[in-house]
This record gives sequence, structure tokens and C-alpha cells, in this order.
Amino acid sequence: GNSVTQMEGPVTLSEEAFLTINCTYTATGYPSLFWYVQYPGEGLQLLLKATKADDKGSNKGFEATYRKETTSFHLEKGSVQVSDSAVYFCALSDRQGAQKLVFGQGTRLTINP
Amino acid sequence: NAGVTQTPKFRILKIGQSMTLQCTQDMNHNYMYWYRQDPGMGLKLIYYSVGAGITDKGEVPNGYNVSRSTTEDFPLRLELAAPSQTSVYFCASRAADTQYFGPGTRLTVL
Repeated sequence: GNSVTQMEGPVTLSEEAFLTINCTYTATGYPSLFWYVQYPGEGLQLLLKATKADDKGSNKGFEATYRKETTSFHLEKGSVQVSDSAVYFCALSDRQGAQKLVFGQGTRLTINP
Repeated sequence: NAGVTQTPKFRILKIGQSMTLQCTQDMNHNYMYWYRQDPGMGLKLIYYSVGAGITDKGEVPNGYNVSRSTTEDFPLRLELAAPSQTSVYFCASRAADTQYFGPGTRLTVL
């Protein structure tokens, strides 16, 4: 079955540092890939997505590229802010039908001023 | 436009009790989902619905039931609460390939 593996957390960085959170997946066919973010006490929000190989999703300074050859979708940001502190989830879904999401375990990110 | 709303926000149940978690969306989405999030883990799909009157099991359906009588509402029922059902429950609805999540219900079973 489909699965997603994320970099173990927690991750702690200083403000303005470069961020990478690794995500790899196993899937049959060609899934859509997502990064969701969960701020403290809130539900998940879509951060960015990519639906086919070599697509780059981007939002709020975050980027991730759909790499089919390495089955990866790593999240990057060039300069993090304290407000980026949250839990980040990598996920995939089939592109047809019910598009049920399969999530990684999440990576807690803390940014210190 | 409230999006996806869930009630209650918090609940403590005793073993063997039953309860219904409410979920309502005002975006006229056909697809709706229930997930549970255990500490330090990703979300797992419990049940989903493709439209009013149509529901199907997800990855972890045991101990739960759902119904979908209207497009807006998708309640989740726990019949005999067990400690293993202590979790945070999220409801979501979908438009195109994006799922929109509610704020969650934190349930503790003692």
C-alpha cells in the first residue's frame, strides 16, 4: 500500500536559518503530493502541493519539488521565521476517486529568535 | 463562510460510554473525511463519504460508525468507548484535490 516517511523530529532552528524537512513516499501509480501545516491548537492547513513529476509547489516562501526518480518531496525554506513554528505533515493521495490522504508522522519545527 | 466546524472541542468519556462527534461544512463539498491523530503520529483515515447517503471505511474503522444524510453534515459515532480511542479527531471536506480541515475534537477515554 501507499506510505509516507518523514524526517524524524523535533527540529529546532534559529531565525533566518535554512530549512529542509525530508519526505519520501511509496505508492503505486502517480500520486499527488502535499505538505500540510498544523499550528498549535489548530487543524491542518494545506501549505503546498504538486500533482505530477517535476512540479514545484510553493507558498509563503516554502517550496517542494515532486521527484519521481527519488520518490521524494522535500520541503525547503531559505530563511525561517519564528511564526513558522508548527508541525509539518507530508502526505500523498491518489489522483482519482476518493483521493484519501496518507500522512507521514509529522515533523515538529521550532524556530528560536 | 465558516468552513468546516466540529463540536465539541473537548470531551472526556468513561469506558463503555457512547458519543457522537459532529462535523458540518458550508462549502457544498461532496467528499468528507474523518481522521484520528494519535500523539506523535500522522493522521489516519477512519471513514469517508463521497456524497449524501454514501459512506465507506478507511484504514481504522473499527469501533466507529458514520452516517451522511445531508451534504453538510457527517457525524462520527463511538458506540462503546475504549481507551484506545483516546485521540484528536479531525473532520475534513474536499474540493478538487485540496482537503479543508476542521479544528478538531480532543477525546479522552478513561
